[in-house]
Amino acid sequence: SQTIHQWPATLVQPVGSPLSLECTVEGTSNPNLYWYRQAAGRGLQLLFYSVGIGQISSEVPQNLSASRPQDRQFILSSKKLLLSDSGFYLCAWVKRGTGYGYTFGSGTRLTVV
Amino acid sequence: DQQVKQNSPSLSVQEGRISILNCDYTNSMFDYFLWYKKYPAEGPTFLISISSIKDKNEDGRFTVFLNKSAKHLSLHIVPSQPGDSAVYFCAARSISNFGNEKLTFGTGTRLTIIP
Repeated sequence: SQTIHQWPATLVQPVGSPLSLECTVEGTSNPNLYWYRQAAGRGLQLLFYSVGIGQISSEVPQNLSASRPQDRQFILSSKKLLLSDSGFYLCAWVKRGTGYGYTFGSGTRLTVV
Repeated sequence: DQQVKQNSPSLSVQEGRISILNCDYTNSMFDYFLWYKKYPAEGPTFLISISSIKDKNEDGRFTVFLNKSAKHLSLHIVPSQPGDSAVYFCAARSISNFGNEKLTFGTGTRLTIIP
């Protein structure tokens, strides 16, 4: 069966510090991978998606970047965090060609102080 | 530009009654619509979906209705149970010219079931 792992669960970081959130998927190959963010009182905003190793599409200009160094690994990074980067970050995957029934990770609560 | 809208941020329903959650969209190119349920501090879980060529899909207590002419879909939960209390997100799928697919989410509706 397929599983998705996302860590850490919670993170408190000072403004200006770097960020690295990791997401890995098991039990499937060549998935589409996504990073979403849920800010306080807002919906789920798509940040990045990837259809393959090294292929990253950015949805919104921001202080964040993403990388996919391996087929089932997706990393969200920042060189210098801003207060506005606080939120609940979610990784998701879907088997290419199905499109529906995305599976989400358990999320990372990031608080920038 | 909010392509998927959930205009009701919250909804309270008596246990045993019907819960109706609404969603509107603007992009005619969406080909699948989905509902997700989310508890605090957890990732959303898939609930039910409907293809754009259908107008109804039913799964147990959950039914999704799609009105393409009005660009409107709704989720009906009947009978409502206390465990249904959560935030519900409407989502719509689009596929780019390069075959890349993504989901666009609404802002969510917090459903509270009153015992």
